[in-house]
Amino acid sequence: AQSVTQPDIHITVSEGASLELRCNYSYGATPYLFWYVQSPGQGLQLLLKYFSGDTLVQGIKGFEAEFKRSQSSFNLRKPSVHWSDAAEYFCAVGRYNNNDMRFGAGTRLTVKP
Amino acid sequence: KAGVTQTPRYLIKTRGQQVTLSCSPISGHRSVSWYQQTPGQGLQFLFEYFSETQRNKGNFPGRFSGRQFSNSRSEMNVSTLELGDSALYLCASRKTGSTDTQYFGPGTRLTVL
Repeated sequence: AQSVTQPDIHITVSEGASLELRCNYSYGATPYLFWYVQSPGQGLQLLLKYFSGDTLVQGIKGFEAEFKRSQSSFNLRKPSVHWSDAAEYFCAVGRYNNNDMRFGAGTRLTVKP
Repeated sequence: KAGVTQTPRYLIKTRGQQVTLSCSPISGHRSVSWYQQTPGQGLQFLFEYFSETQRNKGNFPGRFSGRQFSNSRSEMNVSTLELGDSALYLCASRKTGSTDTQYFGPGTRLTVL
């Protein structure tokens, strides 16, 4: 069965600093991988997704993620964090023709001025 | 184009009652999925509907049910409410296939007293 682990429950970074959020997945076949962001009281917004091809994926708001099959990881990065990036971030894994996505527990990002 | 809409946004019920939540997908989207989000269990997949048929189902008791209408709008119903059903219920829609982006609504916050 597929599963996702986000090791960091809470991360604090200074505005302008770089960011890396970790995600490890468990899945027997080629996974579909996603990063979503959720602001308080809001639904989830898709940042980026990986299905196949180039393992470095660019998303919205300056985010990128790299798929590393050997490490079963799909870490999210941003070179310079803005105060508006403060939110909760979820990594998710899905599979072909199935909308049963498995989400990680989430990482809450706090941005210090 | 309008996003996914969910009604009501907030709901308070008492134990033993039943509740119906509504979701209107993005125009042209035929797949609707429901998720439950709680602090303890995180985001969990409830079920997916496509062309008025349940396509996938998560690991929830039979008290949780849903349906989809011919216009792709969907409802989910929870009968005999329990305190543990208090959660944010998120609806998501996508065009058809699993590689299509899934868009989430803002959610319905259900509180069971």
